[in-house]
Amino acid sequence: EAQVTQNPRYLITVTGKKLTVTCSQNMNHEYMSWYRQDPGLGLRQIYYSMNVEVTDKGDVPEGYKVSRKEKRNFPLILESPSPNQTSLYFCASSLGARKETQYFGPGTRLLVL
Amino acid sequence: SQKIEQNSEALNIQEGKTATLTCNYTNYSPAYLQWYRQDPGRGPVFLLLIRENEKEKRKERLKVTFDTTLKQSLFHITASQPADSATYLCALGDNFNKFYFGSGTKLNVKP
Repeated sequence: EAQVTQNPRYLITVTGKKLTVTCSQNMNHEYMSWYRQDPGLGLRQIYYSMNVEVTDKGDVPEGYKVSRKEKRNFPLILESPSPNQTSLYFCASSLGARKETQYFGPGTRLLVL
Repeated sequence: SQKIEQNSEALNIQEGKTATLTCNYTNYSPAYLQWYRQDPGRGPVFLLLIRENEKEKRKERLKVTFDTTLKQSLFHITASQPADSATYLCALGDNFNKFYFGSGTKLNVKP
């Protein structure tokens, strides 16, 4: 089944404790992206990747890192999480940014205390 | 900065009627626009894509229009059903591979 998976789905952590949210897709998509969704603000793009070893900043990259060492994986790293990073995070992938729909993962709900 | 506006108030309509949702944008010249459906607690699901040189796109009961002069897209669901109740998001893609989403409009279709 074609899908985007994220882990963990729920995470409670404390300020400053490094964490990684994994994202994997099995559709051989080139384009992958991370978003955060907050009430009233909609989805905001954090980082995106056009292909392996090619990443770029979205609208709200501060406090986040990403890597794209393999085509299927695009982890989101929070080196020193802060309470303002409490949010619902979505990973998405597509064949190419302009070519196709984005397929979204199920989301990761993060609470930073 | 880019600003995308969708009606934050819920749209309530009767089953069988046509639902029309609006997406307005400013300070922006998108290469294309997408519409997504999002159910509570789930990721968005793609519905339709329309490019800057297209005026209208249809898929089954769905229709999207794109007016780059008015900086507006309209999303129509004809013969609406209670199962169409969800939040609908519009997203604009630029020529630099970035996406910008509106905050969504909640649609309630009453039987």
